[in-house]
Amino acid sequence: EAGVAQSPRYKIIEKRQSVAFWCNPISGHATLYWYQQILGQGPKLLIQFQNNGVVDDSQLPKDRFSAERLKGVDSTLKIQPAKLEDSAVYLCASSLFKSWGLYNEQFFGPGTRLTVL
Amino acid sequence: QQQVKQSPQSLIVQKGGISIINCAYENTAFDYFPWYQQFPGKGPALLIAIRPDVSEKKEGRFTISFNKSAKQFSLHIMDSQPGDSATYFCAATPSGNTPLVFGKGTRLSVIA
Repeated sequence: EAGVAQSPRYKIIEKRQSVAFWCNPISGHATLYWYQQILGQGPKLLIQFQNNGVVDDSQLPKDRFSAERLKGVDSTLKIQPAKLEDSAVYLCASSLFKSWGLYNEQFFGPGTRLTVL
Repeated sequence: QQQVKQSPQSLIVQKGGISIINCAYENTAFDYFPWYQQFPGKGPALLIAIRPDVSEKKEGRFTISFNKSAKQFSLHIMDSQPGDSATYFCAATPSGNTPLVFGKGTRLSVIA
């Protein structure tokens, strides 16, 4: 079974530039998450999708970050304009939605390492 | 506000020894407590998980101990091997389909 795919794996940009990340979840996984992992810290949620709808974007800096999941499969995360503090690994995770009462394991992709200069 | 506190930040253990990582949480709504293992350049991968209705769960060399009244849980790695060298994250979530809240991670080095 193929895992969560992310691209690019690495990206270096200047501050104030824009950047986009792409995620392809495991086939059939209805729930998709984007996490930000700053060096030396645990991942922190940015946004959660259920199919193509947003479930939780309370921690997404909406003045510069945006995300979409058209057709409920692939997702893109965009930063515009980037700041130095956005340097981090951006992780995509997906889970197979079974029911609201059961734990649905999250499978993580390898991440995109962003460096903002 | 950090909702899951993890310690130690780093840990060095001799091969064959026991590695112990501790976590504490504040939110009593948390109902699922997984541990993730992350190797450099890779995403986190689920190692073992526990619900608060049991006090211990064992899978091979990995054991989670859970203390609901103290709001603490820990990971024990028995017979630690160099291949266990990685960063370990404890996490918590209120329900089955909600985001994980992670600790800051513990970098484990197992030396021969």
